[in-house]
Amino acid sequence: EPEVTQTPSHQVTQMGQEVILRCVPISNHLYFYWYRQILGQKVEFLVSFYNNEISEKSEIFDDQFSVERPDGSNFTLKIRSTKLEDSAMYFCASSARAVSSYEQYFGPGTRLTVT
Amino acid sequence: QQQVKQSPQSLIVQKGGISIINCAYENTAFDYFPWYQQFPGKGPALLIAIRPDVSEKKEGRFTISFNKSAKQFSLHIMDSQPGDSATYFCAGLLLDTGRRALTFGSGTRLQVQP
Repeated sequence: EPEVTQTPSHQVTQMGQEVILRCVPISNHLYFYWYRQILGQKVEFLVSFYNNEISEKSEIFDDQFSVERPDGSNFTLKIRSTKLEDSAMYFCASSARAVSSYEQYFGPGTRLTVT
Repeated sequence: QQQVKQSPQSLIVQKGGISIINCAYENTAFDYFPWYQQFPGKGPALLIAIRPDVSEKKEGRFTISFNKSAKQFSLHIMDSQPGDSATYFCAGLLLDTGRRALTFGSGTRLQVQP
């Protein structure tokens, strides 16, 4: 069964450093998402991406964040200058193109720890 | 407001019992309500979903009950098993607007005791 994959599974970085989280969505999907989950809290939407551009973003997704689809398979989330409060589990998700295909499939997540 | 409020925060059920998790939403424009199941160290996985034009949807041991007038919906797990022990999240989506940002509830940690 196709699945969303994410690397690395755990990233430790120092405050102020840049990090790039990587995702490989399901191959025939065209909508891509990033969500985050701070430990013990609910999953929060960050951004959605379609046709090589951001289609929607939350207020969490400020200028420190960016997303990119550098090739035909990867989807990345970059945090330019990490803060302690960016420590969270980051989930990538994807969904198919059809209007009725609103089912989002999540990857296993990357745990980001900012020290 | 786009909040989805979920209760209880945690739930302990005996094997074979019924687990019930409740959610209430504020935004009447939500038109798709999925439930996600999350095991430790894994991403959320879609379990079952409902649209507001039906009052109930059943898939195996899992049933969603939907009350549009009360803006509430609930997940019932019949014959709960230890393997159902996980965190469950309800969510809402503004599907017809073309938006795809899921708004999640705060989660319910279910423990099914053998």
